[in-house]
Amino acid sequence: EVQLLESGGTLVQPGGSLRLSCAASGFTFSSYAMSWVRQAPGKGLEWVSGISGSGGSTYYADSVKGRFTISRDNSKNTLYLQMNSLRAEDTAVYYCAKDLRGTAMVTVFDYWGQGTLVTVSS
Amino acid sequence: QSALTQPASVSGSPGQSITISCTGTSSDIGGYNYVSWYQQHPGKAPKLMIYDVSNRPSGVSNRFSGSKSGNTASLTISGLQAEDEAHYYCSSYTSSTTLVFGGGTKLTVL
Repeated sequence: EVQLLESGGTLVQPGGSLRLSCAASGFTFSSYAMSWVRQAPGKGLEWVSGISGSGGSTYYADSVKGRFTISRDNSKNTLYLQMNSLRAEDTAVYYCAKDLRGTAMVTVFDYWGQGTLVTVSS
Repeated sequence: QSALTQPASVSGSPGQSITISCTGTSSDIGGYNYVSWYQQHPGKAPKLMIYDVSNRPSGVSNRFSGSKSGNTASLTISGLQAEDEAHYYCSSYTSSTTLVFGGGTKLTVL
């Protein structure tokens, strides 16, 4: 059974940093691209960042480019999101999601975690 | 990376059919067959309902179907049931090698 378990969400001050983690199990982690998708309170879904199975290719939404860094440790079956220079508008539930296909591209998500809440406020 | 355009809300009675549209550009929906639809109930993670425009994952009811014409994709739900009441989001791969979601549509089953 595929499981994705996010952690690391908390209250952080504007301008601060935070690292989210997503522990994966139930599939060959290194064979699939992964992404982070966020949802601000009462709002829609926003794709944030994606990474190929090998970790060699990374992709970012314009809203986070230069501030967030996605990475993965395939030996630990874990996905990360390093978030720097956080702003109030980054407040959201952050989901990690597994791509359906074993490609380098980020196209469609067949499994999602339950999310972790990041609140940016003073 | 502008969000895809979806109607804010749609409604239908049990047993009826409804269609939700999702409009993009030639750089996303019109350029690729990587359109997906997700269902999200309150407080829950999204669930994949349709991928690659019209494919259903295993376990998803055949009451859900997808299509695309030009820069607009559509999700049709036939034989509406109370459990279908949820938010629905479309997404598409883009020419910038990113992914973009629609703003979401709230489906109300009357």
